[in-house]
Amino acid sequence: AQKVTQAQTEISVVEKEDVTLDCVYETRDTTYYLFWYKQPPSGELVFLIRRNSFDEQNEISGRYSWNFQKSTSSFNFTITASQVVDSAVYFCALSENTGNQFYFGTGTSLTVIP
Amino acid sequence: DVKVTQSSRYLVKRTGEKVFLECVQDMDHENMFWYRQDPGLGLRLIYFSYDVKMKEKGDIPEGYSVSREKKERFSLILESASTNQTSMYLCASSFHGGGAKNIQYFGAGTRLSVL
Repeated sequence: AQKVTQAQTEISVVEKEDVTLDCVYETRDTTYYLFWYKQPPSGELVFLIRRNSFDEQNEISGRYSWNFQKSTSSFNFTITASQVVDSAVYFCALSENTGNQFYFGTGTSLTVIP
Repeated sequence: DVKVTQSSRYLVKRTGEKVFLECVQDMDHENMFWYRQDPGLGLRLIYFSYDVKMKEKGDIPEGYSVSREKKERFSLILESASTNQTSMYLCASSFHGGGAKNIQYFGAGTRLSVL
């Protein structure tokens, strides 16, 4: 069974709009970690954030914010006032308590139009 | 900063050739991973290694092998390349086990075309 679902395949927004990328996960572990990565056109996946399952506080970093809700098994990512440099593929991932293997979603391709 | 270096950004090979993709990390990580990325399929794990000379199959190991002779280096081998192995290959590394150190760091990727 797929452990991480990113239902949005492609999203286009106009610069300065806000955009939310959805991530739904599935696990039976009580301890787990959730991640977001950004893959710009250059190809390298860049780590953005990690949350553990015991910390449901939302997090904000500049224009980026993350909403973790265990009740809906979701870990959504919002970009406020989007910029062209935000254009990339974004991946959500899950790591269970054994820790070593990551389960990635299929990614959401975001295009920010100037 | 963590650095994961893949030896080639682009490779073009012919069907039946033996292909080596090399990955080196400089953070003394125990774990190293090889993924394949295809449109609409996300990242799929081919193999990973948690120690020198140790390897574990991932989700799609068929047609691939790996080698880890030194801690910092992890090689992906296509014994006889086929056109359906045309893809983007990504290497990653991390510390072993869960907890605070459990973040995977990625190389820039190798885009392989098999003709």
